[in-house]
Parts: sequence; structure tokens; C-alpha cells
Amino acid sequence: QMQLVESGGALVKPGGSLRLSCAASGFTFGGYYMSWIRQAPGKGLEWVSYISSRSGMTIYYADSVKGRFTVSRDNAKNSLYLQISSLRDEDTAVYYCVRMGGWGAFDIWGHGTMVTVSS
Amino acid sequence: QSALTQPASVSGSPGQSITISCTGASSDVGGYDFVSWYQQHPGKAPKLMIYDVTNRPSGVPNRFSGSKSGNTASLTISGLQAEDEADYYCFSYTSSSTYVFGTGTKVTVL
Repeated sequence: QMQLVESGGALVKPGGSLRLSCAASGFTFGGYYMSWIRQAPGKGLEWVSYISSRSGMTIYYADSVKGRFTVSRDNAKNSLYLQISSLRDEDTAVYYCVRMGGWGAFDIWGHGTMVTVSS
Repeated sequence: QSALTQPASVSGSPGQSITISCTGASSDVGGYDFVSWYQQHPGKAPKLMIYDVTNRPSGVPNRFSGSKSGNTASLTISGLQAEDEADYYCFSYTSSSTYVFGTGTKVTVL
């Protein structure tokens, strides 16, 4: 079945870096735009970034992460990545990998991976 | 980009209908038909319930419906059931080619 599995979440000190990964299966990964969405503990959902299909040439970020986060993809490995750096306390959240089934349809979600920023 | 505005909570008895509003601007909700709704139970990943304003993915009960008027989108749950108790978020594409979520609504089944 179609599935997304995130990994890489950890406890990191402020200012640190981390790379999150998302392994896709059950669908043609390269043919879909992909996105990262996060949720701080007890808070609402926040869109983080998306990357276009195939070459991944089109990338957008939320203002809150621009310049600190970098999204990338490896279609040969059916994988999506999020490099996060200069981490702040407010980056503490569950990070979800999500397939974009269309501009208005984020249709497949992973289970999420937890990033905790604390000294 | 400011979050879309949703009521913090909505409640109803089993069998009743409830509607959750999602108010944005002409640069997001009002400008595009790329509004979707997500249901999230505690400790679980969100689930797509409505996409492109009015469309229901396969497997989502037809008691869930979506609509839009001007800068406000709405999710209606008809024939409320106990398992519908969850948090609901609206989500819209924006004129900056980014996305924005609503503030979230907690639905309680009385």
C-alpha cells in the first residue's frame, strides 16, 4: 500500500542541525510533488516546504524556516529529505512528510518524526 | 502569511449537523479552489477529508462536505457520529505559491 515513513528526529541543542528523511513506497514517488508539515506539541499544523516532482527544481518554504531549512529529493531512492539547521526552540515539533496529490490535496501522510530543540 | 481563522471549538449531538468555517483573504481562500480539510485524532497523523473545496477522497463518508463563498470556506458534517470527534484544520494555497493552515477546530460530540 502507499506509505511514507519518516526518520531522523532527535533531541538537538539550539543552533544545531539535523537531517530528516522520508521513505516512500507503493506509488511512483518521482511523479509527485512532496511537502513537509510540522506540528509543535499541543499546537496546530504548520506548512513548512514543498518540492516539485521529477527534478525538484521548484521549491518553496514558509517564511519561518526560509534560509535555515533545505528540502531535497532522491527519486532513485524514493526518498525526501529536510536538512534543518540553526535550530531554535520553536522548531520543536513533529515533522510530517506528505504527498501532494494535487495543489489542493495533501493525500498521504507519514506518521511523523519528532524533533526536540533543547539545551 | 497569517493563519486562516477557524472557531476554536464546535459541538453537536449525535445525528446533528455542524459546520466549521474557515476565513481567509482574497490572496488565499478567496482566490483559489485549492482548499482542503484535514481530520486529526489525538496522537495520529492528519487525514485528508475534503480537497479542492468540495471533493471527497475515496473512503471518506459522504456525511462530510465542503463549500466556499468568497473568502470563507466551510466543512459540514451531517449526521454527526462519535468517531467524528477530532480536531479539524482547513488549508489553502496562497498567492505567494505557499500554503497556510487554519487555526484548527476541536469538534466535540455531546
